[in-house]
Amino acid sequence: NAGVMQNPRHLVRRRGQEARLRCSPMKGHSHVYWYRQLPEEGLKFMVYLQKENIIDESGMPKERFSAEFPKEGPSILRIQQVVRGDSAAYFCASSIGFGTDTQYFGPGTRLTVL
Amino acid sequence: AQSVTQPDIHITVSEGASLELRCNYSYGATPYLFWYVQSPGQGLQLLLKYFSGDTLVQGIKGFEAEFKRSQSSFNLRKPSVHWSDAAEYFCAVGVNTGNQFYFGTGTSLTVIP
Repeated sequence: NAGVMQNPRHLVRRRGQEARLRCSPMKGHSHVYWYRQLPEEGLKFMVYLQKENIIDESGMPKERFSAEFPKEGPSILRIQQVVRGDSAAYFCASSIGFGTDTQYFGPGTRLTVL
Repeated sequence: AQSVTQPDIHITVSEGASLELRCNYSYGATPYLFWYVQSPGQGLQLLLKYFSGDTLVQGIKGFEAEFKRSQSSFNLRKPSVHWSDAAEYFCAVGVNTGNQFYFGTGTSLTVIP
């Protein structure tokens, strides 16, 4: 059973460009979470999605950031008009159920904004 | 508000020595507690978790953690550290509403020969 997959592993963008980060949850998992890890910091919750629904986006910046988890295909975290402060590692996690079911993490996407 | 504190930013231990990483949480109800390990450039791997029951929890790689409600703590321990244990360790609290995990800022472990 493959783990949580994220791609790309590394992404370089210039200021003003768009970044698209993809996450494929573990097989059988229908709950996806996105976290951001800034240098020297812990992970900060961004958004929680189920198939076709955003359940909790309280940790997501109000502007430029969006997330989706379509019926088919991976979950996408989209950052428009990136700025240097967006440089971070973005981790996706998935779980079987909701609530506090164990979350399994992907390897992360390291975004660098030049 | 929920919070997780890992008071030790960096710890250095000798190989073969015992290890204890501290974690304190702030949450109104009984928390769900997790320890994850992150190797450089890698994602997070679950070491162990506590939901209920026995307050001493066994995990992978020889790690264990003890939940102490009176101290709001969930410290991670290992009796004998191996060089391969060098990594970043994160404590996390699962909140029953909102599906959020709150992470501590991590403890970086260095193992010296």
